[in-house]
Amino acid sequence: DTAVSQTPKYLVTQMGNDKSIKCEQNLGHDTMYWYKQDSKKFLKIMFSYNNKELIINETVPNRFSPKSPDKAHLNLHINSLELGDSAVYFCASSGTGNAYEQYFGPGTRLTVT
Amino acid sequence: SQQGEEDPQALSIQEGENATMNCSYKTSINNLQWYRQNSGRGLVHLILIRSNEREKHSGRLRVTLDTSKKSSSLLITASRAADTASYFCATSSGTYKYIFGTGTRLKVLA
Repeated sequence: DTAVSQTPKYLVTQMGNDKSIKCEQNLGHDTMYWYKQDSKKFLKIMFSYNNKELIINETVPNRFSPKSPDKAHLNLHINSLELGDSAVYFCASSGTGNAYEQYFGPGTRLTVT
Repeated sequence: SQQGEEDPQALSIQEGENATMNCSYKTSINNLQWYRQNSGRGLVHLILIRSNEREKHSGRLRVTLDTSKKSSSLLITASRAADTASYFCATSSGTYKYIFGTGTRLKVLA
């Protein structure tokens, strides 16, 4: 069974479009995250959610809106896509606390043309 | 701002050799974790070391932490071709937020 799954795996779209990426975890974790990995492999946290509540928003543009319908799901909606949004987006989950490992999804490669 | 800096950026070794990669960070931490990322895949957790620990082992992995120098190292002994991947350190100074380093690309030649 896949612990953290994301859909779609690849997403190719044009500038100005709106798109969503879905994430689900079956680990029973309370905390979920979205990360962006750029072309240089630098991984940066975007959002953290705990029990469906937004905890961390790392100065991400308002065009990015995460939504957590329940503790097992954290979706990412992106409005008015820009070329600079092209990256690999990873969802992750973990237990709640200071010393829990994160489990990552396989990533969604977003290409904006 | 980016917290973790890793070096070297890239490392190429022969199978059977040991690989050492280093991570430096800027502020106080609760714990430091190491992750592996194979090409085109998500990150996989390798090992976690708490701020009050100095060394930790897991199989062929050995991690050290020096909080006075704000640095950590990951040693992979007797490397295998399957160890070829990128390795990232991640630091946590509070709940819910982890800062990842720039990564070390390791290539193990058979």
